[in-house]
Amino acid sequence: DTEVTQTPKHLVMGMTNKKSLKCEQHMGHRAMYWYKQKAKKPPELMFVYSYEKLSINESVPSRFSPECPNSSLLNLHLHALQPEDSALYLCASSQDRSRGNEQFFGPGTRLTVL
Amino acid sequence: GEDVEQSLFLSVREGDSSVINCTYTDSSSTYLYWYKQEPGAGLQLLTYIFSNMDMKQDQRLTVLLNKKDKHLSLRIADTQTGDSAIYFCAEEIGGGADGLTFGKGTHLIIQP
Repeated sequence: DTEVTQTPKHLVMGMTNKKSLKCEQHMGHRAMYWYKQKAKKPPELMFVYSYEKLSINESVPSRFSPECPNSSLLNLHLHALQPEDSALYLCASSQDRSRGNEQFFGPGTRLTVL
Repeated sequence: GEDVEQSLFLSVREGDSSVINCTYTDSSSTYLYWYKQEPGAGLQLLTYIFSNMDMKQDQRLTVLLNKKDKHLSLRIADTQTGDSAIYFCAEEIGGGADGLTFGKGTHLIIQP
């Protein structure tokens, strides 16, 4: 299994809603990542988890809250989002954080905030 | 800091070769990557090159690296309609594996 899966595929939420994005991999990877990709822009790193611990938070607002409950799962909890947070949210994983480890990306969750 | 530049569009005829260029600024980058993104999809890793290599070939794909000029290129031989996508070059942040910094992406357009 060389796949990163993400659910849901699409999500529409209001600014007062609480929702979660889920990411799963069964490749035994110990590094997992969240990226945000706005339309016609490159992906931008949000968070890095290494061995289930948060390693990097790229100055992301607290309305985005990541969680890594085990080595296969990565969640992104959303609360009180703004319309400008609408984007494609991509999850990725790699064997670990050492150099040269390929990052495998999921298909993304397309989020629309009304 | 890291900054990766690409031209935004490239138009080629089916059957011709496509060459997508990229420049980067972080001289400590050890690995450089090429990803492909089709409309509405995630990112697919195409290939990568280690910084001590000049060239890497993988079937229709050839990656050239000029480390002195910090220039990376991806050549796709015999371009097909299925190659139509956005191509991102990327480098490791801080020279390590703390995520990737992506270029803006080159939209490859195939003419029949």
